[in-house]
Amino acid sequence: AQSVTQPDIHITVSEGASLELRCNYSYGATPYLFWYVQSPGQGLQLLLKYFSGDTLVQGIKGFEAEFKRSQSSFNLRKPSVHWSDAAEYFCAVVGRDSSYKLIFGSGTRLLVRP
Amino acid sequence: DVKVTQSSRYLVKRTGEKVFLECVQDMDHENMFWYRQDPGLGLRLIYFSYDVKMKEKGDIPEGYSVSREKKERFSLILESASTNQTSMYLCASSRGTSGGAGDTQYFGPGTRLTVL
Repeated sequence: AQSVTQPDIHITVSEGASLELRCNYSYGATPYLFWYVQSPGQGLQLLLKYFSGDTLVQGIKGFEAEFKRSQSSFNLRKPSVHWSDAAEYFCAVVGRDSSYKLIFGSGTRLLVRP
Repeated sequence: DVKVTQSSRYLVKRTGEKVFLECVQDMDHENMFWYRQDPGLGLRLIYFSYDVKMKEKGDIPEGYSVSREKKERFSLILESASTNQTSMYLCASSRGTSGGAGDTQYFGPGTRLTVL
């Protein structure tokens, strides 16, 4: 069955420290891959997406993600976290077979220490 | 910028009431979606619509119905609200071109529904 796993429910980092949020997927073929962020009380905002080509994808707010086919992973990174990055982060996939159905991970809540 | 708006940010209803959640997008998108968000479960698709009057069931359609009479508006209906439908409901829309599976979905701010 298709699924997305975000193994970390919560992560706490200090402001200025680097960040990596993990995402693994299970899918028949390489899907389209997304990272969304949800700030408190808000809807979801797209950070970045991977379709094909360069496996390192740059997104908004200084985030990047690397697609690793051999590990079925799409981890999100940021070299230096800001207090405003505190939010919940969702990894999602959708099949390339014209299905519109996004499959979401359960989310990782990021807390930032001053 | 794409804007997706939802009629209420917070809603409190009683068990058995009929509940309407409204969603409007202003970018002429073909696709619209309703998700339910619960802690530890991420987002789960309830229904989506790929055209006016067209709809498909998502993963958890039981207890819900939808209506799309105009392209910009997509309504989620709880025919008889129950306490287990207490949740955050998120609407989204996407362009719906031929490359549609990879289209970005744009989300509204959500409606937090409490059923007492």
